[in-house]
Amino acid sequence: QQQVKQSPQSLIVQKGGISIINCAYENTAFDYFPWYQQFPGKGPALLIAIRPDVSEKKEGRFTISFNKSAKQFSLHIMDSQPGDSATYFCAASEGGGSEKLVFGKGTKLTVNP
Amino acid sequence: EPEVTQTPSHQVTQMGQEVILRCVPISNHLYFYWYRQILGQKVEFLVSFYNNEISEKSEIFDDQFSVERPDGSNFTLKIRSTKLEDSAMYFCASSRQLGTYTEAFFGQGTRLTVV
Repeated sequence: QQQVKQSPQSLIVQKGGISIINCAYENTAFDYFPWYQQFPGKGPALLIAIRPDVSEKKEGRFTISFNKSAKQFSLHIMDSQPGDSATYFCAASEGGGSEKLVFGKGTKLTVNP
Repeated sequence: EPEVTQTPSHQVTQMGQEVILRCVPISNHLYFYWYRQILGQKVEFLVSFYNNEISEKSEIFDDQFSVERPDGSNFTLKIRSTKLEDSAMYFCASSRQLGTYTEAFFGQGTRLTVV
């Protein structure tokens, strides 16, 4: 129940295309859903995050879509660029005093020029 | 821009030896964490630390692990007797406050190799 399931494991997109990464969870106590971006040799860096009281959040080319009833959320990267090539992790936490992040397994995104 | 700093970047140790991984969190942060990532797998929570005590730990964080904030700037993870399966990337993180919607900043990691 603590798991966050992420797909696909890897994704190849052409420059300018849309990258879509999906995550699903079971624990209804999760109330904070961040996405992290990780470049090789670096630690995860927060990209964008959403709370369950909104269905969508957009920051620049990055959008999170959230479906509370389906317990699913996704990251959309519009106009994907080669510099976006990285591993993306979705995560979730219960908040309310617990900061423990439960991560998905990651998606390795490659954006071809 | 302030960042979480970890040393060393790579540590090789023999099985059964003790290792100490070091972290300098962001200076005005109060909450500190260790996560690990076995090669090719997901990032896993180990422990959170606040006000000089453990606030939460995972089942991975057994008696072989301990954390300490020995002074006002460092935060350490000690593995008492390393096993082969402890080989992983260990990430330190810190955040300014506890609770929902608080960003945790991650360090660049220490790659621990147990041989």
